[in-house]
Amino acid sequence: AQKVTQAQTEISVVEKEDVTLDCVYETRDTTYYLFWYKQPPSGELVFLIRRNSFDEQNEISGRYSWNFQKSTSSFNFTITASQVVDSAVYFCALSEAEGYSSASKIIFGSGTRLSIRP
Amino acid sequence: NAGVTQTPKFRVLKTGQSMTLLCAQDMNHEYMYWYRQDPGMGLRLIHYSVGEGTTAKGEVPDGYNVSRLKKQNFLLGLESAAPSQTSVYFCASTDSGVPGANVLTFGAGSRLTVL
Repeated sequence: AQKVTQAQTEISVVEKEDVTLDCVYETRDTTYYLFWYKQPPSGELVFLIRRNSFDEQNEISGRYSWNFQKSTSSFNFTITASQVVDSAVYFCALSEAEGYSSASKIIFGSGTRLSIRP
Repeated sequence: NAGVTQTPKFRVLKTGQSMTLLCAQDMNHEYMYWYRQDPGMGLRLIHYSVGEGTTAKGEVPDGYNVSRLKKQNFLLGLESAAPSQTSVYFCASTDSGVPGANVLTFGAGSRLTVL
C-alpha cells in the first residue's frame, strides 16, 4: 500500500531563512510519481512540482528546490531565502498507476504548515 | 475559465440528514476525485472515478456514496450525516495520459459542518 509521511506538522522561521520540508513515501511499485502542492491561507490547492520515479535529478525553480532520493524514499522541498508569501500548508503526494487504465490513486501526506515571520 | 466548481461552498447539517455535494469541471477531464481535509490528517481520498459511469473507493469511503452519470459531474453523497463527517471537502480532476502522472486541478472546497 502507498503511504506518504510528512513528519513536520508545523515549521516557523524568520524571513530570509532557508527551510526544508521533509517527505518520506512508501510504495511497492517501481513506477510512480511524486508531487508537491501548496495551500495558501486562501485555501486553494496549487500544484508545484511533479517528479517520476526514474528521474532522480534534483530540480531548482527560483527559490524552490527539490531533492529526490530513491535510496531513502524521500522527496524533500527546500525554500531558500524564505518570504512571508511562502506561508502556507505544503502537501507531498504519491501516485501509482493502476493496471492499464492509466488512472491513479493519488495519496497525500498530512501536510506541513509553514509560517514565515517578518 | 471555471475549471472545477464545487457547490455548495458551505453547509450545516444535523446528524442523520442527507445531502449531496456537486463537483463540475469544464476541462473535459477523464478522472475525478473527492478528498476530505481534516486538521492534522491532510487530504484523504474518499472516492474517485476514472470515467463516466465508473467509481472506485479511496482511503476513507465509508459513509459516502458517489456517482458519475455525466463526464463533467462527480457527486458525493452523505446518506446519514454524522459529526465525524464535519470537514472540508475538495473535488479534483485530471486528464488521462501517462499512467500515474496526473496533476490535479482542485475546486475551492466545500466546508461541511454536522451538528
